[in-house]
Amino acid sequence: ETGVTQSPTHLIKTRGQQVTLRCSSQSGHNTVSWYQQALGQGPQFIFQYYREEENGRGNFPPRFSGLQFPNYSSELNVNALELDDSALYLCASSGGTGDTEAFFGQGTRLTVV
Amino acid sequence: LAKTTQPISMDSYEGQEVNITCSHNNIATNDYITWYQQFPSQGPRFIIQGYKTKVTNEVASLFIPADRKSSTLSLPRVSLSDTAVYYCLVGDEVTGGGNKLTFGTGTQLKVEL
Repeated sequence: ETGVTQSPTHLIKTRGQQVTLRCSSQSGHNTVSWYQQALGQGPQFIFQYYREEENGRGNFPPRFSGLQFPNYSSELNVNALELDDSALYLCASSGGTGDTEAFFGQGTRLTVV
Repeated sequence: LAKTTQPISMDSYEGQEVNITCSHNNIATNDYITWYQQFPSQGPRFIIQGYKTKVTNEVASLFIPADRKSSTLSLPRVSLSDTAVYYCLVGDEVTGGGNKLTFGTGTQLKVEL
């Protein structure tokens, strides 16, 4: 157990819909990163939040957006869902400068039909 | 970011030592080398990190030659539960508050009886 929890664990949405995924970071961690992992591929960095501000973004379109709250939990929002958005979405938390590893949650499996 | 190359898959038997080599010819001076392990439908889990020479923890050893253009993850006496995908990551963002990790496709290790 990493102390990082994600909800829901599984989700089925229809193309064109919007989805919100949630992540509670490990206690004491102020940095949350989101990753998308397609089947058979490694996780791909979406974006990171540090103390409620976006702190870097990967090669994902603007319909992928996020939030970080004062308690450092985070949300990933995806608008206008496409079939290719079907993937495992992973949240990782870390404690900031000097921290050598990221702690991942178990992920949310999103299926777009 | 330095690109990494590692074998797509490896097979082993219980009790054997497994060595997974990762090539990173363009590694920069500030880059660290980090390995993660991932089981199906779970988030990656940090295994080990190093900069040069040898690093050992309770799970694995990491060997890094002087030129740092490659590294080898060594798993002593593997068991069935070590069957997983192993990712080699290189970059200066793998430490500290960055943790904007760049994953490749990893090495699928299969351990049999």
